[in-house]
This record gives sequence, structure tokens and C-alpha cells, in this order.
Amino acid sequence: GNSVTQMEGPVTLSEEAFLTINCTYTATGYPSLFWYVQYPGEGLQLLLKATKADDKGSNKGFEATYRKETTSFHLEKGSVQVSDSAVYFCALMEDSSYKLIFGSGTRLLVRP
Amino acid sequence: DTEVTQTPKHLVMGMTNKKSLKCEQHMGHRAMYWYKQKAKKPPELMFVYSYEKLSINESVPSRFSPECPNSSLLNLHLHALQPEDSALYLCASSQLISRRGYTFGSGTRLTVV
Repeated sequence: GNSVTQMEGPVTLSEEAFLTINCTYTATGYPSLFWYVQYPGEGLQLLLKATKADDKGSNKGFEATYRKETTSFHLEKGSVQVSDSAVYFCALMEDSSYKLIFGSGTRLLVRP
Repeated sequence: DTEVTQTPKHLVMGMTNKKSLKCEQHMGHRAMYWYKQKAKKPPELMFVYSYEKLSINESVPSRFSPECPNSSLLNLHLHALQPEDSALYLCASSQLISRRGYTFGSGTRLTVV
């Protein structure tokens, strides 16, 4: 079945460091890909999305490119802030059922 | 209005209690979802409603009973829960046949004692 694999966390960075969180997927068809962010004690917020190969999603300085050849959707940010500390979930939406399938989540901790 | 509103935010219930979680959206979305999230885990899909009809039940125990009284409201009725059912319950909505993703509420943190 379809699945999403994320790098294990926690990822600990100093403020202004470069961030990469790896995400790869297994899917039939042409899924859409998403990054959601969950701040402590809150629900999930859509961070960015890409609906087809080579699309780049971006928001709030975060970027991810839909790479069909490597089945990847890695999240990047050039300069992280303390306020970016959260759990980040990579997810795919099946193009047949429109179900959203999540990866295991990666906790990011940014230190001042 | 671009929000999904869930009430209550916190709920403590005994194993013999009956309670309900409520979810509301006014974005015109015709698909609504219940997810369960345990600590340090990703959300797990429980139920999907499309056009107010239950379309997916992910083999959820019958002590969880969903209801969709209209296109804006989604309820989750709880009865005879177990302590292991303690979790964050998230509601979400989306347009049908859309690749835009889901909009999630802030969740109800449920503790079963």
C-alpha cells in the first residue's frame, strides 16, 4: 500500500541554521504531497503542498520539491527560527481515494 | 471563514460515561474526517464522511459512533471508552475530489479515567 517515510527526529539546530527534513514516499498513481506542521498542544496546519512532479511548494520560507524520479519531497528552510520548533509531518493524498496518509513526524527543536 | 472549530478543547470522562465531541466548518467542504492522534505519533484516520454519508470506517470499535447531521457539523459520540482511548481527536474537512489537502481543527484532548 501507499506509505510515507520520514527521517527520525528530533532534529536540533541553532537559530539561523539550514534545515532539511527528508521525506520519501511509496505510492501508485499520482499522489499529491504535503507538509503539515503541529505546534505544541495544537492541531495540524498545512505548511505547503505540491500536486504534480517537479512542482515546488513554498510558504513562510519553507520549500519542498516533488521529485518523482527519487519519490521524495524533502522540506528545506534556509534559516530557521526558534518559533519553527514543532513537529513536521510529510503526507500524501492518494489520487484514487483522496485519503491523507501521514509519515511518522519529525520533531524540530531550534535553540537560540 | 477558513477554520474548523472543535469543542470541547479538553475532556475528561469516566469509562461508564457518554460524551460527544463536536466539529464545525463553514467553508462549504463536503468531506469531513475524524482522526485519532496518540502522543508522539502521526494522526490515524478513523472515519470519513462525504456528502453527509459515512464512506470510510477504518475498523474503529463501536464505542466510537460518528454522526454528520448536516454539511457543516460532525459529531463523535463516545461510550464505554477505555483508558487507552485517551488521545487527541482531530477533525478535518476538505473539498471533495480536491488535491488542496485537509483543513484541521485544533483538536479535543480526551482523557479516559
